[in-house]
Amino acid sequence: DGGITQSPKYLFRKEGQNVTLSCEQNLNHDAMYWYRQDPGQGLRLIYYSQIVNDFQKGDIAEGYSVSREKKESFPLTVTSAQKNPTAFYLCASSPPDARSYEQYFGPGTRLTVT
Amino acid sequence: QKEVEQNSGPLSVPEGAIASLNCTYSDRVSQSFFWYRQYSGKSPELIMSIYSNGDKEDGRFTAQLNKASQYVSLLIRDSQPSDSATYLCAVSPLFYNNNDMRFGAGTRLTVKP
Repeated sequence: DGGITQSPKYLFRKEGQNVTLSCEQNLNHDAMYWYRQDPGQGLRLIYYSQIVNDFQKGDIAEGYSVSREKKESFPLTVTSAQKNPTAFYLCASSPPDARSYEQYFGPGTRLTVT
Repeated sequence: QKEVEQNSGPLSVPEGAIASLNCTYSDRVSQSFFWYRQYSGKSPELIMSIYSNGDKEDGRFTAQLNKASQYVSLLIRDSQPSDSATYLCAVSPLFYNNNDMRFGAGTRLTVKP
């Protein structure tokens, strides 16, 4: 089955620890995105990547880092510098063809930092 | 002013009725418009996209776009309890490589049996 997978589904960490969220897709999509969703707010873009070995900051990149070493993988690291890391993190990807304006989401990772 | 505004709801409709969800946006150059459905605790699922003024129908769903009024809506006909979810409106100034998509906070819809 083709799709976007994120792991783990739930993640708990202590304050001050870095944590890496996984995002993998086997859809042959070029573009991948990381969003954060907080209650009562719209999704906010953290980072995006159009091609391998290239990525750009979104609106709220501070305290986060990413890599794009393979087309299929776009992991997100939440560092200790992120002041409010508890949130629902969503990875998305876009197809390479004329539908590249459409974004499809993975199941998400709910991160809780205490 | 928020870039994409939606009534947070909850919007409650009886089963079989038409549910009408509305969204306004502030960026006049917006070109691409999307509706996502998000069940509680789940990720958003793309259900409709629309790019030109007018109506676009897909099954029980109809998206309506009015660029002059900067308004996009989603109608759900013959609403079912399974339609109960939060509906997110998303807007982008781009057609390709959509790294500037803006999301509303969503409208929570409840369909009562």
